[in-house]
Amino acid sequence: DTGVSQNPRHKITKRGQNVTFRCDPISEHNRLYWYRQTLGQGPEFLTYFQNEAQLEKSRLLSDRFSAERPKGSFSTLEIQRTEQGDSAMYLCAYTRASGGGSNEQFFGPGTRLTVL
Amino acid sequence: AQTVTQSQPEMSVQEAETVTLSCTYDTSENNYYLFWYKQPPSRQMILVIRQEAYKQQNATENRFSVNFQKAAKSFSLKISDSQLGDTAMYFCAHLTSGSRLTFGEGTQLTVNP
Repeated sequence: DTGVSQNPRHKITKRGQNVTFRCDPISEHNRLYWYRQTLGQGPEFLTYFQNEAQLEKSRLLSDRFSAERPKGSFSTLEIQRTEQGDSAMYLCAYTRASGGGSNEQFFGPGTRLTVL
Repeated sequence: AQTVTQSQPEMSVQEAETVTLSCTYDTSENNYYLFWYKQPPSRQMILVIRQEAYKQQNATENRFSVNFQKAAKSFSLKISDSQLGDTAMYFCAHLTSGSRLTFGEGTQLTVNP
C-alpha cells in the first residue's frame, strides 16, 4: 500500500461525456502529480501541485482537462467532452511531506478510463 | 528536455538466475535522481530502487542493484536470484529536483519456473 487511493478504479463513458477522477493521499504530503499511461507505454506527466498551487502543466493537458487541489489535500482531474484518444490509465502520485532529498513519488492504483 | 530510453521491450530469465535491464537517459542537469519502478500485472507502480546522481556508490536493495555510469548516462538494474514474483513491467525514470518524472518505454520481464 503506497498510501494513496484513487476513485473510481474503472470508468467507462461515451464519447463527448465529462468525467472526473479523484486522488486521496492518506498521509501528510507535499506535492501531488497526475500522469497518464496508455497501454504498453510508460506514464507521461500531466500536471503537479505543491499544496493548492498548480505549478506545472504538460502540453498533453489540453483545454478539455482541468485539475484542482482544494485545501492542498485531495485532487480531482476532470476531462470534458471526452474523446476515444483519452482512453488510458490515469495515475496519481505524491511525495511525502518529510521529502528527504530523494523526492520519491508514490503512486496510486490508477483510474482506468475507457471512452466508447 | 529529459529523455529516458529502455532498449529492451521484453526479457525473460529462469527462476534463481540473474538478469540485467538496461536504461540510458539524457539530461543537461547535474543534480538529479534516477529510479526503477516495477508495475506488476495488477498495475500499481512500486518503487524498486533509487540513485542520487551525486553519489558515486551504486544503490543496492536486497536482490536489486544498479550500475550507475554518470558519464555514460547509463543506469542498469540487476536482479539477482530472480523470483516468479519479479515478473512485471519495469520502468526506468529520471527526476530533476522537485519536478516531473520522465519514464522510459518499459521492459516486460518474465521469470520462468
